[in-house]
Amino acid sequence: EAGVAQSPRYKIIEKRQSVAFWCNPISGHATLYWYQQILGQGPKLLIQFQNNGVVDDSQLPKDRFSAERLKGVDSTLKIQPAKLEDSAVYLCASSPNPRGARFEQYFGPGTRLTVT
Amino acid sequence: GESVGLHLPTLSVQEGDNSIINCAYSNSASDYFIWYKQESGKGPQFIIDIRSNMDKRQGQRVTVLLNKTVKHLSLQIAATQPGDSAVYFCAENKIGTYKYIFGTGTRLKVLA
Repeated sequence: EAGVAQSPRYKIIEKRQSVAFWCNPISGHATLYWYQQILGQGPKLLIQFQNNGVVDDSQLPKDRFSAERLKGVDSTLKIQPAKLEDSAVYLCASSPNPRGARFEQYFGPGTRLTVT
Repeated sequence: GESVGLHLPTLSVQEGDNSIINCAYSNSASDYFIWYKQESGKGPQFIIDIRSNMDKRQGQRVTVLLNKTVKHLSLQIAATQPGDSAVYFCAENKIGTYKYIFGTGTRLKVLA
């Protein structure tokens, strides 16, 4: 099966500009996640969708970050305006409905954002 | 606060030797753990998982050990190969949620 697709793979912008990332999850996966991974650190969850509803966005900086998942499939993550500290890899992951206690996330390749 | 961390940021092993990557977690309520492998320029890839009612689980060349008493998780890789070079993350699952908290990661370098 096709994996999680993300675009663009790389993006360089100046601070205070805006940027958007796109994610296409694995077909049929109900849950979609956006993570921020700063160099040398583990991924940090930004937002979690179940179908097209938000399950958890407690760590999303809502003053500048926004995300949507229209029709419960593709998702976009936007940053406006960007700050230097937003430089990171943005990972999208999806998972099917959990089976008991087992739960697998499938990650996309990520978008590397550099803010100058 | 609740966190997942790793003891060693970088581990260098000779090709063919066994590797052991360690992880400490702080939330005793966590009941499910996953080890991920992340190669340069790629997203994390599932390696192996373990539930809190187990102490050990084996996969192909990999073994995960869970010590709930000291809240410690380890990943053992047998006969380490150059292709095993990557950053390894452990992640814990909190009861009642379907998300994971990731640790900082350990970089494994395999020496020829």
